[in-house]
Amino acid sequence: DADVTQTPRNRITKTGKRIMLECSQTKGHDRMYWYRQDPGLGLQLIYYSFDVKDINKGEISDGYSVSRQAQAKFSLSLESAIPNQTALYFCATSDRARGQETQYFGPGTRLLVL
Amino acid sequence: QKEVEQDPGPLSVPEGAIVSLNCTYSNSAFQYFMWYRQYSRKGPELLMYTYSSGNKEDGRFTAQVDKSSKYISLFIRDSQPSDSATYLCAMSENTGFQKLVFGTGTRLLVSP
Repeated sequence: DADVTQTPRNRITKTGKRIMLECSQTKGHDRMYWYRQDPGLGLQLIYYSFDVKDINKGEISDGYSVSRQAQAKFSLSLESAIPNQTALYFCATSDRARGQETQYFGPGTRLLVL
Repeated sequence: QKEVEQDPGPLSVPEGAIVSLNCTYSNSAFQYFMWYRQYSRKGPELLMYTYSSGNKEDGRFTAQVDKSSKYISLFIRDSQPSDSATYLCAMSENTGFQKLVFGTGTRLLVSP
């Protein structure tokens, strides 16, 4: 069973539409992340959250917003989608309980903005 | 210039070959080095984790870090078709908050 789930897995939308990508985890981790992956650019951090009340911008947050509804849920919104937001989006979780922090990734959401 | 450089490949090898995957980096503050494996249409999964310089071995996989040269490697011995995937290196300055900087990934194809 997947510990980190993302919905939807695939999404096609039009320029200007608002869309939400959802992430849920059953790992009990406090920290959650949103990344996007583009060919030739690797994974880039959009937002991260240390707990429900602590949300921080990553390196490419413009055009995105997030909501941490609960410890287990972290949603990413595109307020007004544009074609260059076409990418593969990953949610990740981590904890630092063991001293070595490991990030666990979800299966990804493939987004196409027309 | 990117902070982390990684050859995108693809790297094609026959089954049983020894594979060498590499990354170079420019930030001398990086201390934690990771290799992730990503199968097609899946999220990355952590393969190896090393701190500072030296080698770490786990089964058929060996990770090497040379901080003086700002160069890390992942060796795969007796490569298998199931090793076909994209391999991402990632680095972090500290473990308190792991802000990872990723390479772009090297696609590996192991043919039977």
